[in-house]
Amino acid sequence: EAGVAQSPRYKIIEKRQSVAFWCNPISGHATLYWYQQILGQGPKLLIQFQNNGVVDDSQLPKDRFSAERLKGVDSTLKIQPAKLEDSAVYLCASSLLVTSGAPDTQYFGPGTRLTVL
Amino acid sequence: AQSVTQLDSQVPVFEEAPVELRCNYSSSVSVYLFWYVQYPNQGLQLLLKYLSGSTLVKSINGFEAEFNKSQTSFHLRKPSVHISDTAEYFCAAISSGSARQLTFGSGTQLTVLP
Repeated sequence: EAGVAQSPRYKIIEKRQSVAFWCNPISGHATLYWYQQILGQGPKLLIQFQNNGVVDDSQLPKDRFSAERLKGVDSTLKIQPAKLEDSAVYLCASSLLVTSGAPDTQYFGPGTRLTVL
Repeated sequence: AQSVTQLDSQVPVFEEAPVELRCNYSSSVSVYLFWYVQYPNQGLQLLLKYLSGSTLVKSINGFEAEFNKSQTSFHLRKPSVHISDTAEYFCAAISSGSARQLTFGSGTQLTVLP
């Protein structure tokens, strides 16, 4: 079974530029997550989709970050304009449909390492 | 709000020695607990999880963790580590209430020395 795919693996940009990350979840996984992992910290949830609808974007800096999952499969995360403090690894994860019972395992992609100069 | 604390940022240990990585959580409701491992240049992989039932859970590669509700802890242990266990380990939790975000600790870098 193929895992969560992400691209690019690495990206270097200058501040105020824009950047986009792509994620392809595991086939059949209805729920998709984007996390930000700053060096020395644990991942922090930015946004959660269930199919193509947003479940939780409470920690997404909406003035500069946006995300979409138009057909309920692939997703893109965009930053415009980027700031120095956006330097981090951006992780995508997916899981089966989230219900009110015990949570399903989240499977993570390899991440995109963003450096903002 | 849910929080997870990993008390040690770095743990060096010699090969074949035992190791314990500590994790404490804060939650006023029932909680589900996880340990993830991150090898260099790889994504996070689930190591083990506690959802319900037996408080002692085990992984296929010899790690185990025990859910202790009274101490709000979920420490990870292995009786004898290998060089290949060198990685960063993250403890994480989901509360069973309405806010079902996976909240991570800050991670513990385990380095196994020859």
